[in-house]
Amino acid sequence: AQSVSQHNHHVILSEAASLELGCNYSYGGTVNLFWYVQYPGQHLQLLLKYFSGDPLVKGIKGFEAEFIKSKFSFNLRKPSVQWSDTAEYFCAATPVDYKLSFGAGTTVTVRA
Amino acid sequence: SQTIHQWPATLVQPVGSPLSLECTVEGTSNPNLYWYRQAAGRGLQLLFYSVGIGQISSEVPQNLSASRPQDRQFILSSKKLLLSDSGFYLCAFSGGADNEQFFGPGTRLTVL
Repeated sequence: AQSVSQHNHHVILSEAASLELGCNYSYGGTVNLFWYVQYPGQHLQLLLKYFSGDPLVKGIKGFEAEFIKSKFSFNLRKPSVQWSDTAEYFCAATPVDYKLSFGAGTTVTVRA
Repeated sequence: SQTIHQWPATLVQPVGSPLSLECTVEGTSNPNLYWYRQAAGRGLQLLFYSVGIGQISSEVPQNLSASRPQDRQFILSSKKLLLSDSGFYLCAFSGGADNEQFFGPGTRLTVL
């Protein structure tokens, strides 16, 4: 069974600091990878996704993620966070079927 | 455009009462449909998914059931609620080749 693990449960940082959230998956075959974000009181929404091509993926709001196949990782990064990036972030992965496996989520708190 | 609706947004029910949560999708045909439960610090747990009318797959044994009476309608039910059924329930759909999922606003269920 596939699983997704996120390294941090809660990250607290100041505005303009850099952010990196770790994500590892256990599936060994072809896999599609996603980062979702849930802002306070809002729907879960897609930040970015990878399914083929350039392993460095650009998403919305200045986020990017790098797929490193040899490390089974898909870490999320943002060079300079803003207060509005306070949210919960979920990594997810799916092989070529219908089901997504989600990580436990990382709560990011950005202090002004 | 594709949209997904869930209702009710919040629900408070006594133990032993029945449950029916509804999810509908617009702007797409023959979507894959999903029910998740989101628990704090545990990410999203897939409860059910459906690839077509009347086709339901259950991911975890539980007190809940799901049905898909129409192509774009997905219902989560219980005959008798337990205290442990309290939680936040999310409906999602996908239809693309990369299995990106789009989430509804969720239903907060409290069983007393």
